[in-house]
Amino acid sequence: EPEVTQTPSHQVTQMGQEVILRCVPISNHLYFYWYRQILGQKVEFLVSFYNNEISEKSEIFDDQFSVERPDGSNFTLKIRSTKLEDSAMYFCASSDWDLNQPQHFGDGTRLSIL
Amino acid sequence: QKEVEQDPGPLSVPEGAIVSLNCTYSNSAFQYFMWYRQYSRKGPELLMYTYSSGNKEDGRFTAQVDKSSKYISLFIRDSQPSDSATYLCAMGGRSGTYKYIFGTGTRLKVLA
Repeated sequence: EPEVTQTPSHQVTQMGQEVILRCVPISNHLYFYWYRQILGQKVEFLVSFYNNEISEKSEIFDDQFSVERPDGSNFTLKIRSTKLEDSAMYFCASSDWDLNQPQHFGDGTRLSIL
Repeated sequence: QKEVEQDPGPLSVPEGAIVSLNCTYSNSAFQYFMWYRQYSRKGPELLMYTYSSGNKEDGRFTAQVDKSSKYISLFIRDSQPSDSATYLCAMGGRSGTYKYIFGTGTRLKVLA
């Protein structure tokens, strides 16, 4: 069964450094998302991306965050200057051709900021 | 009032029991209702996806939606130790937004 793949599985970064989280969505999907889950808290929406542009972002997704689809298969989340509070699991998700189709999630990247 | 409420558990049941997991929500604009299973250090895995009020069955799993009460349930029949995981409800489909709103998740342990 097709799946969303994320790399790396664990990223350790010094505070203030830039980090890029990578995702390969399911190949025929058109909508892409990032969510995060701080330890012990809910999964929360960060951003959605369609047709090479951001379609929606949450208040968490400030100027330190950016997303990109650099080629036909990858979808990346960049955090420019990481803070301690950015430590969380980051999940990529994708969905098919419209809003009616469910979102499928990858196994996440655990980001630890030191 | 929180948009989506879910009892975090933990819920411990003996193998073979019927498990009932529930979520309530406050926003009647939600159109789609999902249940995800999340094993430790893994991502949410889609179990059930429903649109309308009523029941949807898939193997040992039944999802139930009651839009009038703003209440959704997931039933697991003949529960197995491999069902031990955190179960997340999620809701979406409001006009103009693609984002899902998740519950806190209920931790389930099925004892052999």
